[in-house]
Amino acid sequence: GENVEQHPSTLSVQEGDSAVIKCTYSDSASNYFPWYKQELGKRPQLIIDIRSNVGEKKDQRIAVTLNKTAKHFSLHITETQPEDSAVYFCAATLYSGAGSYQLTFGKGTKLSVIP
Amino acid sequence: GAGVSQSPRYKVAKRGQDVALRCDPISGHVSLFWYQQALGQGPEFLTYFQNEAQLDKSGLPSDRFFAERPEGSVSTLKIQRTQQEDSAVYLCASSLSGRGRTGELFFGEGSRLTVL
Repeated sequence: GENVEQHPSTLSVQEGDSAVIKCTYSDSASNYFPWYKQELGKRPQLIIDIRSNVGEKKDQRIAVTLNKTAKHFSLHITETQPEDSAVYFCAATLYSGAGSYQLTFGKGTKLSVIP
Repeated sequence: GAGVSQSPRYKVAKRGQDVALRCDPISGHVSLFWYQQALGQGPEFLTYFQNEAQLDKSGLPSDRFFAERPEGSVSTLKIQRTQQEDSAVYLCASSLSGRGRTGELFFGEGSRLTVL
C-alpha cells in the first residue's frame, strides 16, 4: 500500500511570512494529491489538489508543487494570516484495484501563525 | 442536506458495549468512505462504498467492525464489543465520483467515540 510522510509536524511563522509543508509518497502509481485543512474540532476541508499530470497549481495565496520523479509534493502558503492556523494534511490517492481509490493521509502539520 | 451529516457527534461507551455510528452523505454522492482518526494523527482508511456495494473493506481493523449502506445513501458503521483502542474520531466522507475516478472528498464533522 501507499505510505505518506509529512514534515514538519509543527510549524510556527510570523504573520505575513510564508509557510512550506512537505510530503513524500512511496507508490509511483499514486495520481491525485489533495491537501486538507482541519481546524480544531472541525471537519477536514479540501484547500487545493493536484493531479499527477501537472507540476504546479496555484490558488491565490496557496500553491502546491509536485515532483513525480522524486515522489514528493509541497504546500506553500504566502502572506500567512492568523486564520491560516490549523492542522494541514497531505494525502496521496492510489487506485486499490479492489474497486476503490484510497486516500492515504500524512500525520499532519500544525501551523501556528503568530500575529 | 447541504453537507455530510454524522451522528452521534459524541459517544461514550463502556468496554464491551456495541456502538453504531451513522453517516448521511451529500445527496447523489456515489462514493462513501469511513476513516478513523486517532488523536493527533491523520485519518486512516477503513472502508469504501460505491452506492450500496462495499468494494473495499481492507482498512477495517478487526471483525468487530462492520459497515453497511443498504440503499446506497445512509451508512452505518458498527463496532461490536468495543475496546479502549477503538477510541477515536470516526469520519465519514462522500464524493460525487465513482469507481476509479478521484475527486474531492466532503467530510462530516465526525463521531468522537470514547471507550471507558
